[in-house]
Amino acid sequence: GESVGLHLPTLSVQEGDNSIINCAYSNSASDYFIWYKQESGKGPQFIIDIRSNMDKRQGQRVTVLLNKTVKHLSLQIAATQPGDSAVYFCAENNAGNMLTFGGGTRLMVKP
Amino acid sequence: NAGVTQTPKFRILKIGQSMTLQCTQDMNHNYMYWYRQDPGMGLKLIYYSVGAGITDKGEVPNGYNVSRSTTEDFPLRLELAAPSQTSVYFCASSYSGGYNEQFFGPGTRLTVL
Repeated sequence: GESVGLHLPTLSVQEGDNSIINCAYSNSASDYFIWYKQESGKGPQFIIDIRSNMDKRQGQRVTVLLNKTVKHLSLQIAATQPGDSAVYFCAENNAGNMLTFGGGTRLMVKP
Repeated sequence: NAGVTQTPKFRILKIGQSMTLQCTQDMNHNYMYWYRQDPGMGLKLIYYSVGAGITDKGEVPNGYNVSRSTTEDFPLRLELAAPSQTSVYFCASSYSGGYNEQFFGPGTRLTVL
């Protein structure tokens, strides 16, 4: 079936650098996307969301970009900090009441 | 506001045993969800509820049952535990459906031996 996937399972960045986490989705009907952060031993935590009528949305140190032409979603984290180390999931909505989650990317921040 | 709470935090079951995972939210959310997360994997939806008295199957419902008698509580029942149900279980809630942020509980780590 159609699903959300990620390009990179692990991303290692230097503290202070910018991070880019990518996500590919295959369902062109998806119209809402969310990024979650999951720290070890905890539940996922909302970071930012975007609807399909937008290309870009910014939060505090994070930006989500949506390219509907190639069905690609990315999360950019500016000035990555050690506290950003976690697993990041993208999720899409295409069935009304449910989110479909991708497999996750682990972000490791080197001091 | 405690948000979404789950009990227990950890549990070890023997094959064939049954148990109920508890989930409570105090945000007056209509929608509640149960996910499982296998090691190194994403979240898979087991069941969800759009309001008291209404439940529906998600992607992986086999071996589980749910009920929603109140807005606050959404327990997940495992009747005959199997090793394949070893996982971390997360409960979540949201104000409305899939176009809103879901708030997650801390999870229950279940091992079936």
